[in-house]
Amino acid sequence: EAGVTQSPTHLIKTRGQQATLRCSPISGHTSVYWYQQALGLGLQFLLWYDEGEERNRGNFPPRFSGRQFPNYSSELNVNALELEDSALYLCASSLGQSGANVLTFGAGSRLTVL
Amino acid sequence: QQPVQSPQAVILREGEDAVINCSSSKALYSVHWYRQKHGEAPVFLMILLKGGEQKGHEKISASFNEKKQQSSLYLTASQLSYSGTYFCGTEDNTGKLIFGQGTTLQVKP
Repeated sequence: EAGVTQSPTHLIKTRGQQATLRCSPISGHTSVYWYQQALGLGLQFLLWYDEGEERNRGNFPPRFSGRQFPNYSSELNVNALELEDSALYLCASSLGQSGANVLTFGAGSRLTVL
Repeated sequence: QQPVQSPQAVILREGEDAVINCSSSKALYSVHWYRQKHGEAPVFLMILLKGGEQKGHEKISASFNEKKQQSSLYLTASQLSYSGTYFCGTEDNTGKLIFGQGTTLQVKP
């Protein structure tokens, strides 16, 4: 069974540009979580989608946005890129059952902003 | 509110034991533990749903005190393969899962 897949693996952008990251969940999983992992800051919660709806978002500015498609895949968009957006962006999927939200993570997309 | 983990880093010799603590200021629905090895994605270890419940995974176990909003991860007779960064994740009643800053564990021969 395929795991969580993310693309691209690496992305280099310059300040002010936009970045789009993609995530395909495990088959049967309806929930997708996005986390930012910057050096030394652990896993910072970004967004949570379930059944096509945004369920919750973390303390990030509105230029971080996303969506979930009918096939449960998801996209994270970061507009007006800033240097501090450089990080590993991890996507995780789960069955979406509260209290049993065991996450399976993808390998991540490394975003570098120059 | 991000849960707080302690210690931030631990260095052990093979065979030694370690405890990693996780505390939250919010009421918790469940606590999750994940391990991330260098250059890899975090991997699920265990989930705890009720106060005082302990779960085990090989020689790794954990407890969850619902009243104190705390969880502890116990690693006994550590092996080299236990090296990595351990994250606790706390889930509230909305289903949102937030992780602590991580505890880096290094096991030396």
